[in-house]
Amino acid sequence: KQEVTQIPAALSVPEGENLVLNCSFTDSAIYNLQWFRQDPGKGLTSLLLIQSSQREQTSGRLNASLDKSSGRSTLYIAASQPGDSATYLCASYPNAGGTSYGKLTFGQGTILTVHP
Amino acid sequence: EAQVTQNPRYLITVTGKKLTVTCSQNMNHEYMSWYRQDPGLGLRQIYYSMNVEVTDKGDVPEGYKVSRKEKRNFPLILESPSPNQTSLYFCVSSGRAYNEQFFGPGTRLTVL
Repeated sequence: KQEVTQIPAALSVPEGENLVLNCSFTDSAIYNLQWFRQDPGKGLTSLLLIQSSQREQTSGRLNASLDKSSGRSTLYIAASQPGDSATYLCASYPNAGGTSYGKLTFGQGTILTVHP
Repeated sequence: EAQVTQNPRYLITVTGKKLTVTCSQNMNHEYMSWYRQDPGLGLRQIYYSMNVEVTDKGDVPEGYKVSRKEKRNFPLILESPSPNQTSLYFCVSSGRAYNEQFFGPGTRLTVL
């Protein structure tokens, strides 16, 4: 059974700092990996999707990398801002086939606080 | 605008009173699913559907029903809600199960 772990569970940084959020998964036979952002009491906003043939994706100040062989993904946030404060979740997609087809396995999330 | 919509967004109800949470997507997606999110337990899949009339259980299906009579709609039915079903519910859709998945805005349900 796939397990996804996110470290750290919480992170507090001053504005302007570059930071890295970590996501590890036990079964390296994943298809895609997706990073989400969730504001308190709100829905999930997709940030980046790394597809099976890719190793990284970039969007603005965000860069996500994926290393299937080591079972790790990282989300890099450059020049953090107070508006980046939220919970960041990673989720793995299983390979096609089997009863887990299509079911995302989520990490518990990293709560990020960026203070002015 | 491509989107997944859920209704209602907030609901307070009492034990045993049947309710339905609707979910609709306008992207002609085949794959849809429901998750619940609880503090300390994270997001867990309730049911999923590969296409019209094709549904299957996720990790926590007890106490829930679903149906997929039309491609765009995937309602979640609680026949006899109980307090342990108090949660934040998300409907999700994607073109295929392994394509990027799009989340609805969530429905916050409280069962008294």
